[in-house]
Amino acid sequence: SQQGEEDPQALSIQEGENATMNCSYKTSINNLQWYRQNSGRGLVHLILIRSNEREKHSGRLRVTLDTSKKSSSLLITASRAADTASYFCATDSTGGFKTIFGAGTRLFVKA
Amino acid sequence: DVKVTQSSRYLVKRTGEKVFLECVQDMDHENMFWYRQDPGLGLRLIYFSYDVKMKEKGDIPEGYSVSREKKERFSLILESASTNQTSMYLCASNRDRKNYGYTFGSGTRLTVV
Repeated sequence: SQQGEEDPQALSIQEGENATMNCSYKTSINNLQWYRQNSGRGLVHLILIRSNEREKHSGRLRVTLDTSKKSSSLLITASRAADTASYFCATDSTGGFKTIFGAGTRLFVKA
Repeated sequence: DVKVTQSSRYLVKRTGEKVFLECVQDMDHENMFWYRQDPGLGLRLIYFSYDVKMKEKGDIPEGYSVSREKKERFSLILESASTNQTSMYLCASNRDRKNYGYTFGSGTRLTVV
């Protein structure tokens, strides 16, 4: 599997429900980031969580990081149709020179 | 509102043409990147630059070159476009990748026919 691999690949929920996406990675990291991409557009940075942090919040977004399991999750609470997008995690590895992006989770929120 | 601007949203070019994709950022970032995005493959790094006139190869530099003559501008060049370079191209900049996220442009969808 690749560094920064999201799970599930696709997720369909009803408006108002919570959406949880997971990301696993392989190497030690400086930080892990989550991005959103609306269809055909560029990526938008959502949250950066550092390796010494366990949880961060931003509005309806909650990100957790478990470095012992090399995994992170993104929770979107009370989802809206406008949250329909692809979500990517990206890892900045220690000793590396670049950030690696996963293939993304496609989220569809039904009104 | 700070941003990264890519010169074209859609481009159609012929095989063998030399193609220039332009990217400008207004955040005074040292670091700039070019990615291509293909279904099922995620984002793959083509080239990046940490300073003016400096460039480094990413994971898939073959068939591409870059130019960074000014801090705010990072150009991607397809020397001789081929159909397998049909893709979405994304430019990004970053102040400090250890502490900040990336700012992406809106992307250029390039079709080579």
